[in-house]
Amino acid sequence: GAVVSQHPSRVICKSGTSVKIECRSLDFQATTMFWYRQFPKQSLMLMATSNEGSKATYEQGVEKDKFLINHASLTLSTLTVTSAHPEDSSFYICSARAPGGMSEQYFGPGTRLTVT
Amino acid sequence: GQNIDQPTEMTATEGAIVQINCTYQTSGFNGLFWYQQHAGEAPTFLSYNVLDGLEEKGRFSSFLSRSKGYSYLLLKELQMKDSASYLCAVLDSNYQLIWGAGTKLIIKP
Repeated sequence: GAVVSQHPSRVICKSGTSVKIECRSLDFQATTMFWYRQFPKQSLMLMATSNEGSKATYEQGVEKDKFLINHASLTLSTLTVTSAHPEDSSFYICSARAPGGMSEQYFGPGTRLTVT
Repeated sequence: GQNIDQPTEMTATEGAIVQINCTYQTSGFNGLFWYQQHAGEAPTFLSYNVLDGLEEKGRFSSFLSRSKGYSYLLLKELQMKDSASYLCAVLDSNYQLIWGAGTKLIIKP
């Protein structure tokens, strides 16, 4: 089956610093990747959709200058949380959709971000 | 607006059967997914329905009625490891996944 990896799995950073999270599709080429955020006991919230080689499409209320997304290749997308604050602490999950076929999304294992 | 409803929490007994319902109102429909999510982990795919009817996969089955905007996930022979949240998600006309809030399933011995 399709595998998506995320790195790091956990990160603790100080307020005001930036953190980069990587999402990789390991055995398929993902033309579209999605970034989600999930707060405790809540459902997934889509932050942005990124297509390889073009700018990401952000959901309403998500600051594009704070959450920088780069989808430079068909197997890698990165999310950078800039000037992180404690309220950015959350579980960040990426998913990837393979071109063609069913529109199933394959999820990465998630990254737990804690901002102190 | 787009809306997906599912119960917040359900409790069932090990070895029993449980049905988790999901109703949806979305702009367009290109299929409905069920995902399982254990605490602290990412969701894992369970099923996909795009046509009306029942899809059976081992202990898990998923049903869809497009005319009623309704789906259910049926779990048989419940095991303790089935304790998790079950997320219903609909692919809308823009091929964007609209997520329900999830149903936390608690299995008791």
